[in-house]
Amino acid sequence: DAGITQSPRHKVTETGTPVTLRCHQTENHRYMYWYRQDPGHGLRLIHYSYGVKDTDKGEVSDGYSVSRSKTEDFLLTLESATSSQTSVYFCAISVAGPYNEQFFGPGTRLTVL
Amino acid sequence: KNEVEQSPQNLTAQEGEFITINCSYSVGISALHWLQQHPGGGIVSLFMLSSGKKKHGRLIATINIQEKHSSLHITASHPRDSAVYICAVRNAGGTSYGKLTFGQGTILTVHP
Repeated sequence: DAGITQSPRHKVTETGTPVTLRCHQTENHRYMYWYRQDPGHGLRLIHYSYGVKDTDKGEVSDGYSVSRSKTEDFLLTLESATSSQTSVYFCAISVAGPYNEQFFGPGTRLTVL
Repeated sequence: KNEVEQSPQNLTAQEGEFITINCSYSVGISALHWLQQHPGGGIVSLFMLSSGKKKHGRLIATINIQEKHSSLHITASHPRDSAVYICAVRNAGGTSYGKLTFGQGTILTVHP
């Protein structure tokens, strides 16, 4: 357990509404990642961060934005949710640098109706 | 073709059996991860390796860099080993910041 929490854990929303998911860590790790997990696709990287205000896109970043104003929080925002964004979202951190094991949060199940 | 391929996709075993899950990848890598995900549960890192073999309890992970292949072995399997096992690779070179590419997972069911 690397002190990672995600909120909310479950959310149901309607198409077109904005949604923000929060990833919080307690141990000041620099590298954080947002993934989505879908049947048939496995885990895919959405965005990642390598420090406060330093973020970059992953392989499935369209329709998502992120912010990291504090080391401990990495926010994922769906500006206008679509049904294709129904998924389970996992946050992860990399301990002691980006080239080590990644530890995952408990996940957020998002349903967009 | 996916960069990371796992086989089999589904695996059913009887308690006590020796289990092997395979992972093949097509790119140069700097490390390979094995992860475990229980039904409805979170994702746990089992191993990270870049060469040779690692062992933790009944789990053994091996990697052959030249053949671009890794295996995860479970000895004396138990129903509590039932989970999805996921292989992930970290591409070599560049400013990758630890980005991982994942296989689709192997669903393991161990019956008592």
